[in-house]
Amino acid sequence: DTAVSQTPKYLVTQMGNDKSIKCEQNLGHDTMYWYKQDSKKFLKIMFSYNNKELIINETVPNRFSPKSPDKAHLNLHINSLELGDSAVYFCASSQEERTPLHFGNGTRLTVT
Amino acid sequence: AQSVTQLDSQVPVFEEAPVELRCNYSSSVSVYLFWYVQYPNQGLQLLLKYLSGSTLVKGINGFEAEFNKSQTSFHLRKPSVHISDTAEYFCAVSGTGGFKTIFGAGTRLFVKA
Repeated sequence: DTAVSQTPKYLVTQMGNDKSIKCEQNLGHDTMYWYKQDSKKFLKIMFSYNNKELIINETVPNRFSPKSPDKAHLNLHINSLELGDSAVYFCASSQEERTPLHFGNGTRLTVT
Repeated sequence: AQSVTQLDSQVPVFEEAPVELRCNYSSSVSVYLFWYVQYPNQGLQLLLKYLSGSTLVKGINGFEAEFNKSQTSFHLRKPSVHISDTAEYFCAVSGTGGFKTIFGAGTRLFVKA
């Protein structure tokens, strides 16, 4: 069983389009995250939800909007995609702040 | 604020040789430290963690790390590497007062035959 699963694995789209990435975890964790990994492998946190409540919202353009329908799901919707949005987006979950993160396998977004 | 510095962007090493990947951190509060590994086209996996207690922490795949509070370091070591250890390694720090884990820039370990 995949603990943290995200779909799709690859996403190729044109500038200006709107797209969504879905994430689900079956670990029973209370907290979920979105991280962005750029072409140099640098990982930066974007958002974090704890029990469906937004607790971390880094300096991210408001074209990015997370949605958590329940504590097992955290989706990421991106409006008006730009070339600079091309990256790998990782979903992760953890039980609490000191515990390790469990990552999905990533969604490689390419904006042309 | 917390920060993590991985001192080497790439570390080439021959198979069966020892390796050390260096990590320094800064924080004004108590920290929790982690090493993660990322194989190509995969997500990150936890190698080991330091939360409290013994400063020498053992992880999976024969890796270990030592927490040194005075030098604010958490270096990762393996006495004998394999080709399959070729991957990207990330040091990370978390602290109290929030659910924010900060990652270093990563170190690419390349094991040569």
